[in-house]
Amino acid sequence: QKEVEQNSGPLSVPEGAIASLNCTYSDRVSQSFFWYRQYSGKSPELIMSIYSNGDKEDGRFTAQLNKASQYVSLLIRDSQPSDSATYLCAVNPARGGSNYKLTFGKGTLLTVNP
Amino acid sequence: DAMVIQNPRYQVTQFGKPVTLSCSQTLNHNVMYWYQQKSSQAPKLLFHYYDKDFNNEADTPDNFQSRRPNTSFCFLDIRSPGLGDAAMYLCATSRDKGGIQYFGAGTRLSVL
Repeated sequence: QKEVEQNSGPLSVPEGAIASLNCTYSDRVSQSFFWYRQYSGKSPELIMSIYSNGDKEDGRFTAQLNKASQYVSLLIRDSQPSDSATYLCAVNPARGGSNYKLTFGKGTLLTVNP
Repeated sequence: DAMVIQNPRYQVTQFGKPVTLSCSQTLNHNVMYWYQQKSSQAPKLLFHYYDKDFNNEADTPDNFQSRRPNTSFCFLDIRSPGLGDAAMYLCATSRDKGGIQYFGAGTRLSVL
């Protein structure tokens, strides 16, 4: 059973702080990793994708991947109240292969306090 | 500007009364997915199409069916909704296998 684990939270940070969201996965052959943001009652929205070990930065967001440790994280710098949402980690075992379905974690609820 | 469009946004049905949810896409993506998401849970994949090739998840109840008449449209049919089927239903697309998935706004289904 492929699993993606996230701390359900809530993770509470003050406005302007760095929020750190973590995700571990069980399938060692996983190749593609995604972070989605989901506001309450809304659908998931892609924030970041990462495929190689290391860091990938996009504005205030940085995704970090360590395949040896089977760990992926999302850092949000200068957190804003509008960042308050559930963040879903999603893992795909392959790129273009026969097994290409996303496995989602349950998400971490982030609250940014003004 | 919406690229994955779900209709309706909210659907109320009666216990046992068939219901159909609709998804259309302007991205010309090959793969379309249907997920069920209940409160505080991860999205659960029900099935997906790669072009016309239908792929059902092993634990998807027989009560759930899907149709993809063309590249742009995909439907989710719930033949006899039960109270436990009340959830958000999400449609997603990806260009190809393993690609980034883009979600529609979802349809929230209530069963009375």
